[in-house]
Amino acid sequence: EAGVVQSPRYKIIEKKQPVAFWCNPISGHNTLYWYRQNLGQGPELLIRYENEEAVDDSQLPKDRFSAERLKGVDSTLKIQPAELGDSAVYLCASSLNGAATHYGYTFGSGTRLTVV
Amino acid sequence: DAKTTQPNSMESNEEEPVHLPCNHSTISGTDYIHWYRQLPSQGPEYVIHGLTSNVNNRMASLAIAEDRKSSTLILHRATLRDAAVYYCILRDNTGGTSYGKLTFGQGTILTVHP
Repeated sequence: EAGVVQSPRYKIIEKKQPVAFWCNPISGHNTLYWYRQNLGQGPELLIRYENEEAVDDSQLPKDRFSAERLKGVDSTLKIQPAELGDSAVYLCASSLNGAATHYGYTFGSGTRLTVV
Repeated sequence: DAKTTQPNSMESNEEEPVHLPCNHSTISGTDYIHWYRQLPSQGPEYVIHGLTSNVNNRMASLAIAEDRKSSTLILHRATLRDAAVYYCILRDNTGGTSYGKLTFGQGTILTVHP
């Protein structure tokens, strides 16, 4: 099993530029999450998908962030335009059934974004 | 979300047991206690979870207090590879948009000395 795959691993962009992150979850996992992790902090949930539906996007800054999960499999997270404060690690995770508490999350290795 | 309190950091020697505490005095009857850990430059990984009874798996043991207001993650023989940030998380099981949600705190940084 390949695990949750994220790309790119690292990204450096200038402020005001757009950036996109891609996530391929574990096959068969219907729940997908995007988290943001600032340096020295725990991950914070940005958005959660159940199949192709975003069921919790309350923490997603919708003025500049957008996400999609077409066909309920792969997902992309986009920032446009990026700001200096967006520098962080963006983590994707998947779960067999997010609502069932006995299913753990599997995280990818994340994308480290640096905005200069 | 119910909150957890963990020490900022702990240290251990290799091959010794490690007991990582977590306080969750406001836990509700339907909250599961989950533990994740995050190795350097990696995403968090699931360690163990439980509701009321103590749990064991190949990675660790979870001891849950009788009143469920605290729990302890036990690594029986720490190795250098166990050096990580350990997160204790309460996972809501009551429904609504927070159903099953994982909310991370700052965790405990575990340092293992050779």
